[in-house]
Amino acid sequence: GAVVSQHPSRVICKSGTSVKIECRSLDFQATTMFWYRQFPKQSLMLMATSNEGSKATYEQGVEKDKFLINHASLTLSTLTVTSAHPEDSSFYICSATRYLSRGNNQPQHFGDGTRLSIL
Amino acid sequence: AQKITQTQPGMFVQEKEAVTLDCTYDTSDPSYGLFWYKQPSSGEMIFLIYQGSYDQQNATEGRYSLNFQKARKSANLVISASQLGDSAMYFCAMREKRSNFGNEKLTFGTGTRLTIIP
Repeated sequence: GAVVSQHPSRVICKSGTSVKIECRSLDFQATTMFWYRQFPKQSLMLMATSNEGSKATYEQGVEKDKFLINHASLTLSTLTVTSAHPEDSSFYICSATRYLSRGNNQPQHFGDGTRLSIL
Repeated sequence: AQKITQTQPGMFVQEKEAVTLDCTYDTSDPSYGLFWYKQPSSGEMIFLIYQGSYDQQNATEGRYSLNFQKARKSANLVISASQLGDSAMYFCAMREKRSNFGNEKLTFGTGTRLTIIP
């Protein structure tokens, strides 16, 4: 079954609207979650790392004020695209690692993604 | 800086045949992890298989196996007995530890679009 849940799956809204996307870890605590962006026919690019109880760390070139991240609990991280414009239209996907045992073999589990379309 | 290279933008394979998807990587870290994910047209990322840099044996998961050649820095995915449901994008990814941020980063290749022909 799903390990990470992401909502909503699709958003269509007008330019200037702020959009919030939720990412939840199911049945496990995730002190760290990751937010990616994927343009059509391209690869996933890490936008930021969401840290529970502290500020998110953003990748170079990602606007902190445009993409607000809140990780208020051990099972929930939110990404808010503020004052969205057509160029923000993209596929946004979150992930978290469920550490079942010691070692490095635990993969990042991804949500189903959110297709954001700004008109 | 790390880099993941997938040189095959697209592949067409006959159903029931085996297929190899190429992935090479570049890193100076002795400890790293290599992952393969499948992304169907619906968009979700499905974890397939993992190979650690210190693993002595090639990873296998059902019909998936990873041909890990450490000296050549390659981690090719082999899918045996391909099925129509295998048609999807396949991404190779490498995980690095980030000392500054205290956590990890997953870097993806550009992907290979696999199409299985009936």
